[in-house]
Amino acid sequence: DVKVTQSSRYLVKRTGEKVFLECVQDMDHENMFWYRQDPGLGLRLIYFSYDVKMKEKGDIPEGYSVSREKKERFSLILESASTNQTSMYLCASSLLGGSTSFYNEQFFGPGTRLTVL
Amino acid sequence: DQQVKQNSPSLSVQEGRISILNCDYTNSMFDYFLWYKKYPAEGPTFLISISSIKDKNEDGRFTVFLNKSAKHLSLHIVPSQPGDSAVYFCAASAPGFGNEKLTFGTGTRLTIIP
Repeated sequence: DVKVTQSSRYLVKRTGEKVFLECVQDMDHENMFWYRQDPGLGLRLIYFSYDVKMKEKGDIPEGYSVSREKKERFSLILESASTNQTSMYLCASSLLGGSTSFYNEQFFGPGTRLTVL
Repeated sequence: DQQVKQNSPSLSVQEGRISILNCDYTNSMFDYFLWYKKYPAEGPTFLISISSIKDKNEDGRFTVFLNKSAKHLSLHIVPSQPGDSAVYFCAASAPGFGNEKLTFGTGTRLTIIP
């Protein structure tokens, strides 16, 4: 069974704090993703990575950065947290599919509910 | 610009009846589509998928239909059960190396009424 774990289920931070969200997967997946989920907006991709030290911007990267120093670990960093970053953050991983039509589904962690006061 | 749209935020269905969840997309480059199910306080879990070379895929009570000309897909659940109550997201991907990211819809909350 693929397991994706996230460091915290609930987190409360103050405006301006630096926030680290950690994600670890145990299935040797190449791809890792960070999303945020907001009511009425669905899941929006923040950043993804298809290899160690590689990162690609998603649809809403502003205010976020990421780090992937090891294959199994992908960190999301909020350099200076703001109230509009209050959200559910979801990490996912998948195998590298390549340019063919073979795509593996993404496996998600349980999420981190972040509240910025 | 929302490339994947789920126009019904919520749906209520009697237990035992058919649930039909709809999804529309605008990007003609999308060639693979997935449905995810999400319970509160849990991450989404994969449900069923379909490639653009097919128009139907079945897995037990779940069937996904794809109409490429209309850029529309639907998920049918028959018969609906109380455990199916969840938020359902459709997602799409386009081909290309390093392009395995998914574009998700906004979700439909399905409630099965016992």
